[in-house]
Amino acid sequence: DAGVTQSPTHLIKTRGQQVTLRCSPKSGHDTVSWYQQALGQGPQFIFQYYEEEERQRGNFPDRFSGHQFPNYSSELNVNALLLGDSALYLCASSQGRSNTEAFFGQGTRLTVV
Amino acid sequence: DAKTTQPNSMESNEEEPVHLPCNHSTISGTDYIHWYRQLPSQGPEYVIHGLTSNVNNRMASLAIAEDRKSSTLILHRATLRDAAVYYCILRASHLTGNQFYFGTGTSLTVIP
Repeated sequence: DAGVTQSPTHLIKTRGQQVTLRCSPKSGHDTVSWYQQALGQGPQFIFQYYEEEERQRGNFPDRFSGHQFPNYSSELNVNALLLGDSALYLCASSQGRSNTEAFFGQGTRLTVV
Repeated sequence: DAKTTQPNSMESNEEEPVHLPCNHSTISGTDYIHWYRQLPSQGPEYVIHGLTSNVNNRMASLAIAEDRKSSTLILHRATLRDAAVYYCILRASHLTGNQFYFGTGTSLTVIP
């Protein structure tokens, strides 16, 4: 089992550009959540997808959007990138109807210049 | 969102037990207490979780106060590989989305 995989591992973008990050959940998991982690801070919840719909959303602007596919994989899209969007973006997968643990990927390090 | 309070940092000698405290006075009856740890440049790693009773697994033990307003993560013998940031998190019921709300965590330093 490969666990949660994220791609790419690192990315450099210019202000104003758009970026798409990808996540494949752990086998058997149907729920994907995305987090943003700035340097020295704890991860901040962006949104969660379950059954191909956004189920919960944190305090992030509409520039942050996502999608979940029928195979449960997910994408995070960020439009009109700002310098402040530079962070580690983490994907976590879990089983939607349980309170068991979530599994996190290694993250995508996004740098906006 | 229910919040947790943890010390910013702690130190422990190698091969000694470590007790990492967490306060969560606003916990609701359906919130689970989860602990994760994060090594530098890696995603958070699950450690342990519980609801009311104390829990043990191969990594650690979780002691939950009777009123559930606090908990303690116990690493029985700290190793250098246990040096990480430890997050205590309250996770809402899956019926309301069960996402994690992280705080700033406790940075654990293990001294050889």
